[in-house]
Amino acid sequence: KNQVEQSPQSLIILEGKNCTLQCNYTVSPFSNLRWYKQDTGRGPVSLTIMTFSENTKSNGRYTATLDADTKQSSLHITASQLSDSASYICVVSDRGSTLGRLYFGRGTQLTVWP
Amino acid sequence: EADIYQTPRYLVIGTGKKITLECSQTMGHDKMYWYQQDPGMELHLIHYSYGVNSTEKGDLSSESTVSRIRTEHFPLTLESARPSHTSQYLCASSIRRLAGTYNEQFFGPGTRLTVL
Repeated sequence: KNQVEQSPQSLIILEGKNCTLQCNYTVSPFSNLRWYKQDTGRGPVSLTIMTFSENTKSNGRYTATLDADTKQSSLHITASQLSDSASYICVVSDRGSTLGRLYFGRGTQLTVWP
Repeated sequence: EADIYQTPRYLVIGTGKKITLECSQTMGHDKMYWYQQDPGMELHLIHYSYGVNSTEKGDLSSESTVSRIRTEHFPLTLESARPSHTSQYLCASSIRRLAGTYNEQFFGPGTRLTVL
C-alpha cells in the first residue's frame, strides 16, 4: 500500500529559529515529491517539487531534500517567521497512471511564536 | 496564486438538504479533482475528471456526485446532506501531463461544510 508518513505531527518554535520536517514514503513507482503549505482554512500551495534525480531544491527560506534510495525527504525552514505557521504537507506522485495520482501525508502543523 | 475558485467558502446546513459546491478555474486545465479533508488528516480524492463529460470516482467512497459539462466548471452535489458529510472539500485542477512534465495540481481555497 502506498503511504506517506510525516513527522513530527506538530511543532512549536520561536520566531527566527530554524526547523526541519520529515517525510517517509513507500509510493512506487516514484515520480516526484512535493511539499505544500496549507494555511488554516485555505487550499494547499506548492512550495517545491523534486524528481528522482534531484536531491535538493530551495524556494526562499524553504529547502527540501530528497533521498530516493531511502525514500525520505525533509523540509528545512530557515529563520522562521510568524507567517510560516501552517500545515506542511508532503505529497508523492506515482508514475504508474495517466492520472498521476497523488498520495498525501497528514501534514506537520507548525506554529511559530513571537 | 492559481485562478481556481470555490463557493461558498463556508456552509452550515440542516440534515436532508440538497447542496451544490461550486468550483471554477480559468486556466483551461483539462483535469479537475475533488478532495475531502478532515482536521489533522490527509486529503482523500473523492472525484476526478479528465475533461468535459468525464467523471470518475476517487479512492474514498463518497455519496456525492459531480458533473463536467464545461471545462472550467466542476460542481459537486450532495442530494441529501448528513452530519457525516461535515468536512472540508477542496477542488483542484491540473493541465494534461506531457512526457517529462509534472502533474502540478493547483488547489482552490476550499469549502468548509457543516451539516447539523
